[in-house]
Amino acid sequence: TQLLEQSPQFLSIQEGENLTVYCNSSSVFSSLQWYRQEPGEGPVLLVTVVTGGEVKKLKRLTFQFGDARKDSSLHITAAQTGDTGLYLCAGALGNQGGKLIFGQGTELSVKP
Amino acid sequence: DARVTQTPRHKVTEMGQEVTMRCQPILGHNTVFWYRQTMMQGLELLAYFRNRAPLDDSGMPKDRFSAEMPDATLATLKIQPSEPRDSAVYFCASRGGGNTGELFFGEGSRLTVL
Repeated sequence: TQLLEQSPQFLSIQEGENLTVYCNSSSVFSSLQWYRQEPGEGPVLLVTVVTGGEVKKLKRLTFQFGDARKDSSLHITAAQTGDTGLYLCAGALGNQGGKLIFGQGTELSVKP
Repeated sequence: DARVTQTPRHKVTEMGQEVTMRCQPILGHNTVFWYRQTMMQGLELLAYFRNRAPLDDSGMPKDRFSAEMPDATLATLKIQPSEPRDSAVYFCASRGGGNTGELFFGEGSRLTVL
């Protein structure tokens, strides 16, 4: 069974702080995506990383794909209350028709 | 404004009843996924289709769950008979293009089985 371990599960921080969310697996992924989900809605894509070692930046969010394409991290700089939500990593298994499996998610709460 | 449409948004039913959830993927998207989300398990992949053919349904309890795509504009997930442990939010998502493409999710169907 392919498994994506995401940590931490819950994170409560003050506005302005930095944070990092980790996503780890023993499986190799052809690509890895990060989604954000708000209550009552479906997840929405933030970024896709494809190449081992790749780093992508989206304003205050920095995403990194591990060299071996088994792990990834999401770093948020100077968190804002609007960053509050559920962050999900998802790995695509290229040898299985692009099957996409999700981590458990990290529930982030940013307090003013 | 292209989006994935799911019905019903909410369903409350009694144990043993049949439940059918429907999904209209984004026009032109050739891959459709069904996920189930609970607090304990997170987002679990139940099944997915490419060009209407099932690619993998290993995440689905076979004895009570079935998923089909009668045509390119409709995917269905059926539970018969339903059990309280099936209570969850069921999401449909569609993807166009290649395996690294974005998944577009519907708003989900919240199922409560009493």
